[in-house]
Amino acid sequence: GDSVTQMEGPVTLSEEACLTINCTYTATGYPSLFWYVQYPGEGLQLLLKATKADDKGSNKGFEATYRKETTSFHLEKGSVQVSDSAVYFCALNTPLVFGKGTRLSVIA
Amino acid sequence: DAGVTQSPTHLIKTRGQHVTLRCSPISGHKSVSWYQQVLGQGPQFIFQYYEKEERGRGNFPDRFSARQFPNYSSELNVNALLLGDSALYLCASSLIGAGYNEQFFGPGTRLTVL
Repeated sequence: GDSVTQMEGPVTLSEEACLTINCTYTATGYPSLFWYVQYPGEGLQLLLKATKADDKGSNKGFEATYRKETTSFHLEKGSVQVSDSAVYFCALNTPLVFGKGTRLSVIA
Repeated sequence: DAGVTQSPTHLIKTRGQHVTLRCSPISGHKSVSWYQQVLGQGPQFIFQYYEKEERGRGNFPDRFSARQFPNYSSELNVNALLLGDSALYLCASSLIGAGYNEQFFGPGTRLTVL
């Protein structure tokens, strides 16, 4: 069945550092790919999405490119802020199949 | 506009009991999905309902059941609770039930089974 593998955390970065969270997937066909974010005490929010190969999703300075050849959808941000501290989930398809999540802590 | 709402926020039950969780979708959304999120893991799909019919089911035992009402709200029922059912139960709503539709999540119900 479909599955998502993302790098395990926790990840701790200093403010303004670069972020990459790796995500690879296994799926039949051409899945839609998503990154969700869960801030402390809040529900899941869609951060960005890509629905076909080579699409780049972007939002709030975060980007991820749908790479069919490597079955990957890595999340990147050039300069993280303390407010980016959260748990990030890579997911595919509908209904959603999630990775285990990566906790990011950004320190000032 | 109100987002997805869930009740109750927290719940404590003992093994063997039954529980009912409730979800109200965003106005105009006709599809509701349920997910279980065990601590430290990603959410796992339990059910999807669209137009009051079950449209998908994840790998969960028959102790889990759900239904959707004419106003598109939904209930998730779990019978014969086990310690392993302790989790955050998330409800998500979307406009329609097929293909890609952005799912909007509620804050969840935290269930603790003692």
